[in-house]
Amino acid sequence: AQTVTQSQPEMSVQEAETVTLSCTYDTSESDYYLFWYKQPPSRQMILVIRQEAYKQQNATENRFSVNFQKAAKSFSLKISDSQLGDAAMYFCAYRRGGASEKLVFGKGTKLTVNP
Amino acid sequence: ETGVTQSPTHLIKTRGQQVTLRCSSQSGHNTVSWYQQALGQGPQFIFQYYREEENGRGNFPPRFSGLQFPNYSSELNVNALELDDSALYLCASSLAGWGGEQYFGPGTRLTVT
Repeated sequence: AQTVTQSQPEMSVQEAETVTLSCTYDTSESDYYLFWYKQPPSRQMILVIRQEAYKQQNATENRFSVNFQKAAKSFSLKISDSQLGDAAMYFCAYRRGGASEKLVFGKGTKLTVNP
Repeated sequence: ETGVTQSPTHLIKTRGQQVTLRCSSQSGHNTVSWYQQALGQGPQFIFQYYREEENGRGNFPPRFSGLQFPNYSSELNVNALELDDSALYLCASSLAGWGGEQYFGPGTRLTVT
């Protein structure tokens, strides 16, 4: 069974600084997708960034980027120029390749942004 | 484009009762997945519906059941509620296909007393 591990229950960062959230996963599949979701206090899960396992290039979305190390099964999220609105729970998620597959989530990292 | 909506927002039930939660999928999406998120945990997959059929199920007992309707909206039913069923229930819709992204609704907070 696939598992996703987030080893940092909580992280904090100063506004305008950079922070990196860690995620490791375990799978025997070669075709899969990885995601970072943000869940603010409003509870709605928002997709931040996705990475296809077959792509060597790390995904980037504005201030958010990932460091995807396939051999090490590591998928970290870097947030640059942190903003107060980035404060939230961040979940790393795995999805096996194929049509309509479930998401497997980690336990999350609570990010606090200090002014 | 209408996003994923869920109802109700909150509800309180008594142990042993039954509950129905509702989800309207995003326009153009034909697949709905349900997740249970206990306090302080990541979401856990309950099941998925595609074309009105159950298309995968997580480690949840049969008292968790669902439906999908021709307009792709969905219901989650839980019978014989237990205290441990207290959680945030999230619905996500997607378009079936390789790598289809799941878009989440705001969730229903269920409290069982």
